[in-house]
Parts: sequence; structure tokens; C-alpha cells
Amino acid sequence: DGGITQSPKYLFRKEGQNVTLSCEQNLNHDAMYWYRQDPGQGLRLIYYSQIVNDFQKGDIAEGYSVSREKKESFPLTVTSAQKNPTAFYLCASSISDSYGYTFGSGTRLTVV
Amino acid sequence: SQQGEEDPQALSIQEGENATMNCSYKTSINNLQWYRQNSGRGLVHLILIRSNEREKHSGRLRVTLDTSKKSSSLLITASRAADTASYFCATDGGSGTYKYIFGTGTRLKVLA
Repeated sequence: DGGITQSPKYLFRKEGQNVTLSCEQNLNHDAMYWYRQDPGQGLRLIYYSQIVNDFQKGDIAEGYSVSREKKESFPLTVTSAQKNPTAFYLCASSISDSYGYTFGSGTRLTVV
Repeated sequence: SQQGEEDPQALSIQEGENATMNCSYKTSINNLQWYRQNSGRGLVHLILIRSNEREKHSGRLRVTLDTSKKSSSLLITASRAADTASYFCATDGGSGTYKYIFGTGTRLKVLA
């Protein structure tokens, strides 16, 4: 079955550490996205990519980095520069702007 | 930045009743989407409505769009306990860049 897989489901980060969240899709979608969701809040766009080897900053890109070396993969690195990284991170993909997103099941990141 | 704002923030109804959620947005759009999120999970795409459409149906869901008022509504008829979730609207801001901005959501609770 086609889908989008995020791993790990839970992640704990120590102060000053960089961590990388994985996002893989086998839907042959061109576009991929990373969103952050804080408790009781909506989703805020971190980065998005419309095509391989290209990506754009969203509304809250500071302290995050991404790469898009393969169509299937769009990993997100939460760097030590992100001062408040505890949140629920959601990855999504879409075939075009006229179709809905397919979301992964999310990664819950906690700073310890 | 939040493009869409849902109203009400929370809604509690009895099973079998209809639930109506509203979304207002600020700038012109090409498309508007509605998503459902069960607690702690990823989002599930429900319906996409284009700016030249006024109404769409999918099963027990009915979405309307009024571009003159920059608003949309999601109606769930004959609600079930399984409809308990948060519902989000997402708009593209007319950007055509595959980038959607999500609202803060309506938390729906359906009581059995």
C-alpha cells in the first residue's frame, strides 16, 4: 500500500543536540511538507519542497533544516538553534496544489 | 501566519445531531481544504473545494464556499461518536505554490 511514513514516533532530545526526523513516501508525490503542531494549536509550516533538490522556507524555518535529495525522502533536522523544539511534527506530501495532502502519523519530539 | 480561522473553537453535540464548523480566511484563494485529526494522529484529508465551486458533498459531509465573504463551512450530518476529532481548514492563499496554511481547528466532541 502507498503511504507516508514518519519515524521515530517518539523522540527525546537533550539540550544542545541536533536530531533528525525521517519522512518517506512511496506515493510518487512531487511535493513534501513539514509542519509543527503545538498542543491545542493549528499547524505551522516549517519547510516545503515542490521538487527534488529544491525547498523553500515556511513561516517558522528558523532552527530547522531540510534536504530533498530523493523524491521519496524529506528529512527534517531540528538544530540546537531551535530554542523550543518540543512539539508534534507532521510530514505530508501531495501530487499537486489541486489535491489534498497525505499526512504521516507524526513524530512527537520532547526536550529532556 | 494563520490564513484560516475556524469557528467555533470547540463544539459538543449529541450523536445523531448535525455539526457545523466555519472557516474564515483573509486573502483570495484557489482552493480550500478540510481535514480531520484524531487525537495524537496525523491529519486525514476530507474535501477540497475550488474557488469556482460553491458546494461539495462526500458521504455525510457537505462543504460550502462563499468567496465573497471569504468563508467556508463544513457540515457533518447525523454525527457519530467516531466523528469526535479536530477539524481544520487549509487555504492556499492564491499562491499556486502547493503551500497551504492551516487554521487553528475546531474540536468536535460527539456524545453517545
